[in-house]
Amino acid sequence: AQKVTQAQTEISVVEKEDVTLDCVYETRDTTYYLFWYKQPPSGELVFLIRRNSFDEQNEISGRYSWNFQKSTSSFNFTITASQVVDSAVYFCALSERQGGSEKLVFGKGMKLTVNP
Amino acid sequence: DVKVTQSSRYLVKRTGEKVFLECVQDMDHENMFWYRQDPGLGLRLIYFSYDVKMKEKGDIPEGYSVSREKKERFSLILESASTNQTSMYLCASLPFQREFAYEQYFGPGTRLTVT
Repeated sequence: AQKVTQAQTEISVVEKEDVTLDCVYETRDTTYYLFWYKQPPSGELVFLIRRNSFDEQNEISGRYSWNFQKSTSSFNFTITASQVVDSAVYFCALSERQGGSEKLVFGKGMKLTVNP
Repeated sequence: DVKVTQSSRYLVKRTGEKVFLECVQDMDHENMFWYRQDPGLGLRLIYFSYDVKMKEKGDIPEGYSVSREKKERFSLILESASTNQTSMYLCASLPFQREFAYEQYFGPGTRLTVT
């Protein structure tokens, strides 16, 4: 079965520090998708990125960057120069086909606290 | 703009009550999902539906049922609420995919407390 592991449960940093959130996954599918979501204190999950298994290019979006390495089954997320507004719970997720749909398998989440 | 709404942000019910959690999406998405979120456990899928009147069990369906009579609405039902169902419940929707996996769109969540 698919599995997503976020080994870190909680990280606390000081503003402007860089922080990397780890995500390791297990799947037997050859085609799959990986996602990162952010859940701020308000509670609503916010989509950050989707990456398909055939695209191993790293991606940068402002202060956010993602490193996908198929060889190690990892999809790590780095926040550069962290800000207080980055404080949230971050989830990594993996797609899995079931029946007529595609469901997501989530990691347990990592709580990031950025202190001023 | 994409919109998934849930009927309540906070709900308090008594043990044994029948509880309905409603989710509505206005994006004409085929797929809808119910998750529960608990500290240290992440999000776990309860049920999902890929079409009207269709439903499939997720990873933790016990104690829950669902209803999808209209495309835009997906209801989660707790037939007889128990204290171990105290949790945050999140609804999500997803368009039908042909070649690409799209991201799921989430509602704001319902925090249910069963006393």
